[in-house]
Amino acid sequence: DTEVTQTPKHLVMGMTNKKSLKCEQHMGHRAMYWYKQKAKKPPELMFVYSYEKLSINESVPSRFSPECPNSSLLNLHLHALQPEDSALYLCASSQDAGERFGNQPQHFGDGTRLSIL
Amino acid sequence: GQNIDQPTEMTATEGAIVQINCTYQTSGFNGLFWYQQHAGEAPTFLSYNVLDGLEEKGRFSSFLSRSKGYSYLLLKELQMKDSASYLCAVKEWVTGGGNKLTFGTGTQLKVEL
Repeated sequence: DTEVTQTPKHLVMGMTNKKSLKCEQHMGHRAMYWYKQKAKKPPELMFVYSYEKLSINESVPSRFSPECPNSSLLNLHLHALQPEDSALYLCASSQDAGERFGNQPQHFGDGTRLSIL
Repeated sequence: GQNIDQPTEMTATEGAIVQINCTYQTSGFNGLFWYQQHAGEAPTFLSYNVLDGLEEKGRFSSFLSRSKGYSYLLLKELQMKDSASYLCAVKEWVTGGGNKLTFGTGTQLKVEL
């Protein structure tokens, strides 16, 4: 079990559907992240939230829309996805994204396995 | 941009020692992490280096040379459960954005009897 909880664990959706992925942490972390991971590839950063504000967007298509309602929650809203968006979506959190030094690892959730039909 | 390289696959014997190398080229280097990821599971944190030298944590050690853009993860007394993917990740400071973690290609380690 991880301290970062993601729901749902699996999601199958059509290209015209709208769905949301949810992530929750109660470690008091102020930085949260979304990653995309394809099979046999490393995680690729999508978004970084620091103190509930979007600080990094890695040129992600607008069909992915992140939201950080409060310091414990992070959502990823999905709309009009393509088959190539099928992947494992990982959420992570760390104590602070703003410190320039410090050994603060990111803690990952188990991910949502997304399949686009 | 960043370029982070690791060997794709390695095989080792139970009880042995294995070294997984990682080379990187980056600007704004702010530390290097090693993560372990079993198939279908979340990456889990193993070690962190920001200064040159060796960090030891039980059966796992990690080394960093910033001038050479090089790190390695050393696993001792290998166990079957160590079969997993090992990810090197470089932390980079992004002005105005905070810290950004970029993962290497990952090394799939297989431990055999």
